[in-house]
Amino acid sequence: DTEVTQTPKHLVMGMTNKKSLKCEQHMGHRAMYWYKQKAKKPPELMFVYSYEKLSINESVPSRFSPECPNSSLLNLHLHALQPEDSALYLCASSQGFVSGGLDTQYFGPGTRLTVL
Amino acid sequence: KNQVEQSPQSLIILEGKNCTLQCNYTVSPFSNLRWYKQDTGRGPVSLTIMTFSENTKSNGRYTATLDADTKQSSLHITASQLSDSASYICVVSELNDYKLSFGAGTTVTVRA
Repeated sequence: DTEVTQTPKHLVMGMTNKKSLKCEQHMGHRAMYWYKQKAKKPPELMFVYSYEKLSINESVPSRFSPECPNSSLLNLHLHALQPEDSALYLCASSQGFVSGGLDTQYFGPGTRLTVL
Repeated sequence: KNQVEQSPQSLIILEGKNCTLQCNYTVSPFSNLRWYKQDTGRGPVSLTIMTFSENTKSNGRYTATLDADTKQSSLHITASQLSDSASYICVVSELNDYKLSFGAGTTVTVRA
């Protein structure tokens, strides 16, 4: 099973709402990632978890709060977002987290987020 | 700053025809290069991965080449199918860096 699942597929929220994005993988991968992708642009790395600990935060605003409850799950909590935060949010996982490593990142289908 | 440039930006081909996509990069020191396929509104799916010593890698009708000396890669699609319509993204890893360098992608449209 080489699948990364994400829920929900689509999310529309107001600027005062609190919502969460969920990501799950059952490949035994120990590294999980959140990316943000705007239309016709490449994905931008947001966070990296390695062995359930936050390893990388790419200076993401605090209105995005990641959480890794266990090795299979990754959440992204959203609060007080701005319209410019509307994008496709991709989750990915890999066997490990090694700089320049050969581990392939497997991406989920993404959550299309619209902030009104 | 590491850069990955892809060309063309987009192309349209007839079903059954072949096409070649290009990727030039400045990432150094080089670790590996991947080609991903991304359908609209979906996550990228890995097609091939090549390290410094590999010149070519195939995955079905997809064949990737790498010239690490000139820092160029290409992805050749043979006998295109309608399902090949997608964005193809070149992704390069730098040795000792966790971050991936993504190209902007080439959008391929296959028409019947």
